Amino acid sequence: AQSVSQHNHHVILSEAASLELGCNYSYGGTVNLFWYVQYPGQHLQLLLKYFSGDPLVKGIKGFEAEFIKSKFSFNLRKPSVQWSDTAEYFCAVNAAGGSYIPTFGRGTSLIVHP
Amino acid sequence: DAGVIQSPRHEVTEMGQEVTLRCKPISGHNSLFWYRQTMMRGLELLIYFNNNVPIDDSGMPEDRFSAKMPNASFSTLKIQPSEPRDSAVYFCASSNRDWGPEAFFGQGTRLTVV
Repeated sequence: AQSVSQHNHHVILSEAASLELGCNYSYGGTVNLFWYVQYPGQHLQLLLKYFSGDPLVKGIKGFEAEFIKSKFSFNLRKPSVQWSDTAEYFCAVNAAGGSYIPTFGRGTSLIVHP
Repeated sequence: DAGVIQSPRHEVTEMGQEVTLRCKPISGHNSLFWYRQTMMRGLELLIYFNNNVPIDDSGMPEDRFSAKMPNASFSTLKIQPSEPRDSAVYFCASSNRDWGPEAFFGQGTRLTVV
């Protein structure tokens, strides 16, 4: 079974600061990788996904993530955060060719001060 | 498409009462997932259906929890009897691997058992 580890539980930044959230997964086979965002009181929305091709993927709202297979990592980045990026961010993985059940990390709470 | 639709959005019930949460997946999706989100445990998979058949219910915490999917457009999660520790946000998600690896989430049901 796969598992996901997000190392940063809480991150506090000022507007315009750069963001990088760490995500590592554990699974021996081919995976699909995702970042979801959950704004306060709302549901999870897909930010970006990787399933094949270019390991650097770009998502909505200026976010990007890089899949480094040798490190089992899929870190999320944004060069300049905004107050509206305040939210909970979840990394998820599912087994490509398997049941496609998403397994989620514990999440990282991001607070951006104006 | 309206997305994954869950009802009710909020439910407050007394301990011992039966609670039924409802989910309508995205039309054409053949996989459905029920998750529970709490501060202590994060996002936990409760049960996974594929083509209306329960495939993995290992996450269902106790016999008090049951889930059904009588057809491709409707699923229920029932808790009977409910207990205060069941208080959480319950999310339904759906996907179709032929369309992409990602799951789409509903707005969630916030359950409070008093």
